[in-house]
Amino acid sequence: NAGVMQNPRHLVRRRGQEARLRCSPMKGHSHVYWYRQLPEEGLKFMVYLQKENIIDESGMPKERFSAEFPKEGPSILRIQQVVRGDSAAYFCASSPTASATNEKLFFGSGTQLSVL
Amino acid sequence: AQSVTQPDIHITVSEGASLELRCNYSYGATPYLFWYVQSPGQGLQLLLKYFSGDTLVQGIKGFEAEFKRSQSSFNLRKPSVHWSDAAEYFCAVGGETGTASKLTFGTGTRLQVTL
Repeated sequence: NAGVMQNPRHLVRRRGQEARLRCSPMKGHSHVYWYRQLPEEGLKFMVYLQKENIIDESGMPKERFSAEFPKEGPSILRIQQVVRGDSAAYFCASSPTASATNEKLFFGSGTQLSVL
Repeated sequence: AQSVTQPDIHITVSEGASLELRCNYSYGATPYLFWYVQSPGQGLQLLLKYFSGDTLVQGIKGFEAEFKRSQSSFNLRKPSVHWSDAAEYFCAVGGETGTASKLTFGTGTRLQVTL
C-alpha cells in the first residue's frame, strides 16, 4: 500500500485558512476514494472520484469541502475556511476499477490535519 | 443504513496467546465484510474479506474470520499472536451501492502485545 502517496503527512492550519490535501494513486489506478477519520471514530467515506469525474460525493460536507481528480496530476481534497472540527486524519485509497471484490483497493498513509 | 460496531476499544494479549477481535454489523442484505490492519504511520492493509460461500475465511499473516449471519458478526481470530501484530484493527462493511470500495468502518480495536 506504499504505492498510494499522500502529502503532506501532517498539515497545520489556523482557523479560516485553506487546506489542500494531495493523493497520488498507484500507477494504473483511475479510481480514488477519500475517507476521514475523526478522533475516536472509524473512517468515514467522503467522496469517490474517477478521472475528471465525481462519482459519489454523498459523504462530503455540503459546504467548504471539494474534491477533484484531474486528467493529469494527483487528486486534491480542498477544505476552505477550516474550523477546529475539521481536524482529523484524511485517507485516500485507489483502485484500478470499481470492482466489488476490493482486492485491489489500496490505502495511503493519510494526512493528519490539525486546525489551531 | 449500514453500520459496524467494534465493542473493544483496546485489547492486550501476551505473545503466543490466542486472539479474537469482535465485530458486529448492521446491513439489509448480504454484506461484503472486511478486516483491515493499520500499523503506526501506515495506511490500511487488507487482512481478509467475505463476500459469499464458506463462512470461515483465511487471510494474510495467519488471521481468519468467521461470518455468522445469525449473530450479525464477523470476528477476527488468530491462534498465536506475534509481537508484530500490535496495531489497530478495523472491521468494515461495504456493498451498499454496488461497489465494495464505499466502506463503512468500525471505530477500531487497538491491539497491544506483551512479551
